[in-house]
Amino acid sequence: ETGVTQTPRHLVMGMTNKKSLKCEQHLGHNAMYWYKQSAKKPLELMFVYSLEERVENNSVPSRFSPECPNSSHLFLHLHTLQPEDSALYLCASSPRAGNAGELFFGEGSRLTVL
Amino acid sequence: EDQVTQSPEALRLQEGESSSLNCSYTVSGLRGLFWYRQDPGKGPEFLFTLYSAGEEKEKERLKATLTKKESFLHITAPKPEDSATYLCAVGRGTGGFKTIFGAGTRLFVKA
Repeated sequence: ETGVTQTPRHLVMGMTNKKSLKCEQHLGHNAMYWYKQSAKKPLELMFVYSLEERVENNSVPSRFSPECPNSSHLFLHLHTLQPEDSALYLCASSPRAGNAGELFFGEGSRLTVL
Repeated sequence: EDQVTQSPEALRLQEGESSSLNCSYTVSGLRGLFWYRQDPGKGPEFLFTLYSAGEEKEKERLKATLTKKESFLHITAPKPEDSATYLCAVGRGTGGFKTIFGAGTRLFVKA
């Protein structure tokens, strides 16, 4: 495996379900990110982790709960979501979070909330 | 307020018809301007980083340029495989780390 891998690629869930998105990076990077991408809208930064410590929470509702057990893995736990949360959720990594730079993205998890 | 605006929203070209995509930005403490390519159902793929006005970068049929207020992505003699969404982003150097993305330009190249 190389680069940034996201699973599952597609997820359909009801508003009362609990599910998780998983991201794994094989690049030896120290920073990992969750972004939300909705149709015709700019990517929205959700969370930033640097060396497993959350360094940014961009006013994301508590129904989204991130977890970073180590510098290679990142999870996004989902519960009691709303239909407007349907979107493509992208994980990214970079060598470090201290400055803006090239981001390496996974292929995304397409989430549909019924 | 930090902002990135891309135009046009969509662009349709014939194969071989050169054109440019625009990215205008307002940001405090620019720490780089980035171009990404995104294919349908995929994550964005990094193309270029530009750091200062006057800088240019090239890759195959793509050339990115930067001024103090905007960046252009020039596409010379495009091919159908260049069809994708092109995203522009800027890095902000003040107020903590943040990369601000534009909404993208969808490019369609017809054979």
